[in-house]
Amino acid sequence: DAKTTQPPSMDCAEGRAANLPCNHSTISGNEYVYWYRQIHSQGPQYIIHGLKNNETNEMASLIITEDRKSSTLILPHATLRDTAVYYCIVMYSGGGADGLTFGKGTHLIIQP
Amino acid sequence: DTAVSQTPKYLVTQMGNDKSIKCEQNLGHDTMYWYKQDSKKFLKIMFSYNNKELIINETVPNRFSPKSPDKAHLNLHINSLELGDSAVYFCASSQGSGRAYFGPGTRLTVT
Repeated sequence: DAKTTQPPSMDCAEGRAANLPCNHSTISGNEYVYWYRQIHSQGPQYIIHGLKNNETNEMASLIITEDRKSSTLILPHATLRDTAVYYCIVMYSGGGADGLTFGKGTHLIIQP
Repeated sequence: DTAVSQTPKYLVTQMGNDKSIKCEQNLGHDTMYWYKQDSKKFLKIMFSYNNKELIINETVPNRFSPKSPDKAHLNLHINSLELGDSAVYFCASSQGSGRAYFGPGTRLTVT
């Protein structure tokens, strides 16, 4: 019962913007969208999260549609080190005790 | 300083043995977790522990038990190891939100 749908894989040229889509059409009003990534053999790494407004930090930007049914993670200038599996996760703000429910994610491959 | 650390990084053992994996976080977080990543790379929550309250994923066998000597530690004990327990185990911590910090993982191989 995945709450999110992501493409299994994507390619992006080094130096270009990588745009990773995520569908979460059943998201409820108090659920946030979180993005994590897992670089090969490492622990997952938090990237960014948002509720309804677009968000930006030093790693990425998160664009959430007005109806909140989908979002896009943007890595503005992808490097080879951004090759990883990216996970889009929805959860409500007080749901930390339940842990994160990871789907299959998107395997992003940055091409030189 | 490493935020979430785990030991050992690799663990090779035989079926039937009992083993433990240690986890420590220096972030002052109130919730710690154990996740399992199997050979197909699927990451699943096993346990979360907060203020002495343990939340268990119902699919986790009772051979697995987390033990928290204090707020900064959540160790994973596994009894009677089976071949299917081979996986990478990740410890994580958070302040009760979706922003979690993960350890580097422990690769367990049961032979």
